[in-house]
Amino acid sequence: ETGVTQTPRHLVMGMTNKKSLKCEQHLGHNAMYWYKQSAKKPLELMFVYNFKEQTENNSVPSRFSPECPNSSHLFLHLHTLQPEDSALYLCASSQDSSMETQYFGPGTRLLVL
Amino acid sequence: SQKIEQNSEALNIQEGKTATLTCNYTNYSPAYLQWYRQDPGRGPVFLLLIRENEKEKRKERLKVTFDTTLKQSLFHITASQPADSATYLCAPADSWGKLQFGAGTQVVVTP
Repeated sequence: ETGVTQTPRHLVMGMTNKKSLKCEQHLGHNAMYWYKQSAKKPLELMFVYNFKEQTENNSVPSRFSPECPNSSHLFLHLHTLQPEDSALYLCASSQDSSMETQYFGPGTRLLVL
Repeated sequence: SQKIEQNSEALNIQEGKTATLTCNYTNYSPAYLQWYRQDPGRGPVFLLLIRENEKEKRKERLKVTFDTTLKQSLFHITASQPADSATYLCAPADSWGKLQFGAGTQVVVTP
């Protein structure tokens, strides 16, 4: 185990649903990340939080809304998603956003119908 | 734009042989480069980091080289085992620590 947990592990939702992904890290890190991984494509960085402040939004559509209430928890709120948003969503953490090694959670496999 | 290329074809290799993976990058001058392993349905796991001033780094059966002139990193798995079967991701980073990942190369080690 990497010390980063994600729930749920699998999620199926309709385009009109609202759901949230949760990430929790037990490593005492200050930076947390959301990535999207589609089949046969590189990981795409979505958001970066450092000390609870958002430091990067990689031109992500507004139907994805992140929330970081504290350095240990990160959420990704989803609403009115499209089928092309189906992917593996990975959370990661690092000591801070300039530190080198990132520790990834197991991911949430999302299917949008 | 910055581009990272890894061989998209799976590398099939016999147990005991050395697997060599390539990572090429363009329009990029990374301060360091990382390699991660990813198993199906799991998140990537950090393996090795090599800095721009280092030529080679080793960890057990793994070896990474970094050639900033060729803009290339090679990742070697020596004495490969079936348990080494996974997808290996290359991730150069800029001086601010921002990682950019390649699509990965799948390695299949057969007994």
